[in-house]
Amino acid sequence: EVQVLESGGGLVQPGGSLKLSCAASGFTFTSYAMNWVRQAPGKGLQWVSTITATDDSTYYADSVKGRFIISRDNSKNTLYLQMNSLRVEDTAVYYCAKALRGATQGCDSWGQGTLVTVST
Amino acid sequence: QSALSQPASVSGSPGQSITISCTGTSSDVGGFNYVSWYQQHPGKAPKLIIYNVSNRPSGVSDRFSGSKSGNTASLTLSGLQAEDEADYYCCSYSSSTTFYVFGSGTKVTVL
Repeated sequence: EVQVLESGGGLVQPGGSLKLSCAASGFTFTSYAMNWVRQAPGKGLQWVSTITATDDSTYYADSVKGRFIISRDNSKNTLYLQMNSLRVEDTAVYYCAKALRGATQGCDSWGQGTLVTVST
Repeated sequence: QSALSQPASVSGSPGQSITISCTGTSSDVGGFNYVSWYQQHPGKAPKLIIYNVSNRPSGVSDRFSGSKSGNTASLTLSGLQAEDEADYYCCSYSSSTTFYVFGSGTKVTVL
């Protein structure tokens, strides 16, 4: 069974940093692109970042570019999101999502999410 | 990076069919057959129900169907059931500076 499980969320002050992890199982991790998608309280889904499987190319939403870093450790089947210079507007549930076979086709497996709260 | 445009809400009676639109541009919806749709119940993670415009993942009811015309994609729910009451989001690959762009979301209410 395909599973992705996020961890690392919590309360952080504006300007602080946090690193999210996503442990993957039940599929060949090295063969699939992975994504982070967030959802602010009461709001819609927002794509955050993608890392490909083939060459580890990375992509970011403009709102996080230069502040967030996506990475993967294929030896640990784990996806990461390093979040720096956090802002109040980064407060959201962060979902890890596995891509379909084609990185651009959508996401077929989602975790339950981890809540990040940026506040004083 | 503007979100794809969806109606805020759509409603229908049990057994009826409803359609949710998702309007983008030639850089996303209109330019690629990489539109996906997600269903999200309150407090739950999103669930993929359509990918590549009109394909259903294994296990997804055939009451869900997708299509596209120009810059607008559509999700149709046939034979509406109480369990279909949820939020629905479209998503498309984008050739602009982003990778994916989501729709603004549509709340489906079963009357």
